[in-house]
Amino acid sequence: AQSVTQLDSHVSVSEGTPVLLRCNYSSSYSPSLFWYVQHPNKGLQLLLKYTSAATLVKGINGFEAEFKKSETSFHLTKPSAHMSDAAEYFCVVSDLRGNKLVFGAGTILRVKS
Amino acid sequence: EAGVTQFPSHSVIEKGQTVTLRCDPISGHDNLYWYRRVMGKEIKFLLHFVKESKQDESGMPNNRFLAERTGGTYSTLKVQPAELEDSGVYFCASSPRVASTDTQYFGPGTRLTVL
Repeated sequence: AQSVTQLDSHVSVSEGTPVLLRCNYSSSYSPSLFWYVQHPNKGLQLLLKYTSAATLVKGINGFEAEFKKSETSFHLTKPSAHMSDAAEYFCVVSDLRGNKLVFGAGTILRVKS
Repeated sequence: EAGVTQFPSHSVIEKGQTVTLRCDPISGHDNLYWYRRVMGKEIKFLLHFVKESKQDESGMPNNRFLAERTGGTYSTLKVQPAELEDSGVYFCASSPRVASTDTQYFGPGTRLTVL
């Protein structure tokens, strides 16, 4: 069965500094991986997805993630945090048929001014 | 284009009562999904519709939950009778196709509190 582990439940950074949110996955096949973000009182929004094309995936709002098969990782990064990035971030893997998403526990990102 | 909408945004009910949640998918999306996040836990899959047919309801917790999608448009999720452990946020998502690479578009969720 597919699973994802988000290694940090909370991450705190200062505005203007880099962001790193860590995710490891487990899958018996080549996975499709996603990062979603949820801002307070909002729905889940897709940031980016990996679908076995380029291993470095660029998303919205300056976020990117790199798929590393050897490390079974799909970490999310951003060079410079903005106050508006404060939210909860979810690493997600799709099951083989694509009808079911498996979510990590979420990482709450706090951005300090 | 309107996104996925859910109604109500919040619902507070007492144990033993019935609640019905509604989801309107993006127009033209045949696939509709329900997920749930119980306090302190991961977001979990509940079920998947293709048009009006249930394709996968492996995540439904028990027979107190009934999901319908009459006519293949909007969907309802009824909890009857509600229990304390049903409290959480219920998300709906939709997609045009079913493929592991496809994006599921989520609604804002309904926060259900059972007292």
